Amino acid sequence: TQLLEQSPQFLSIQEGENLTVYCNSSSVFSSLQWYRQEPGEGPVLLVTVVTGGEVKKLKRLTFQFGDARKDSSLHITAAQPGDTGLYLCAGGRSNDYKLSFGAGTTVTVRA
Amino acid sequence: SAVISQKPSRDICQRGTSLTIQCQVDSQVTMMFWYRQQPGQSLTLIATANQGSEATYESGFVIDKFPISRPNLTFSTLTVSNMSPEDSSIYLCSVDTAGGAGEQYFGPGTRLTVT
Repeated sequence: TQLLEQSPQFLSIQEGENLTVYCNSSSVFSSLQWYRQEPGEGPVLLVTVVTGGEVKKLKRLTFQFGDARKDSSLHITAAQPGDTGLYLCAGGRSNDYKLSFGAGTTVTVRA
Repeated sequence: SAVISQKPSRDICQRGTSLTIQCQVDSQVTMMFWYRQQPGQSLTLIATANQGSEATYESGFVIDKFPISRPNLTFSTLTVSNMSPEDSSIYLCSVDTAGGAGEQYFGPGTRLTVT
């Protein structure tokens, strides 16, 4: 059983459309990371959020950490083919050096 | 952040043989991790390797099958022993540069196919 549930599992959209990926848990996390992984590469860290209610923006990407620090979302505005990849959320807890990973969301942006 | 390299990037091996994967980091780090990933799927932690101590293995992974070395603060190896086709996967190493704060940086992975 995944500690972090990601939805949807797959997402295919047209270039220019918006998309949102969700990461939910019944556990509280001290930090939440989002990674993007392209085929043949390792995951690349996009952002870390640590404060409940925190919103971070990275160009067209907006990340939100839930008030209770149990959930997070990633929103992409005007998606581009370069946004295609596997998006992974990962939660960290203050008493554990390991990360708990979600199952991942495969995003495909069609030109 | 950290820059991590892995060797080999991919390999095709026969069942019953062993493969050693190397992970090199451009800075000294305490915590290194080894993961396994099926293409398009999430990551499964194999073990945590800290310099100067024995690796800590997750449930379902044992030292005889996946021996790990961590000779210094910039290098680690993972050996996949007595391989079977079920070991075909992507193997990734990662590091935590903030001493357990949660942010991990990953190498490019080693794609292993066992025939």
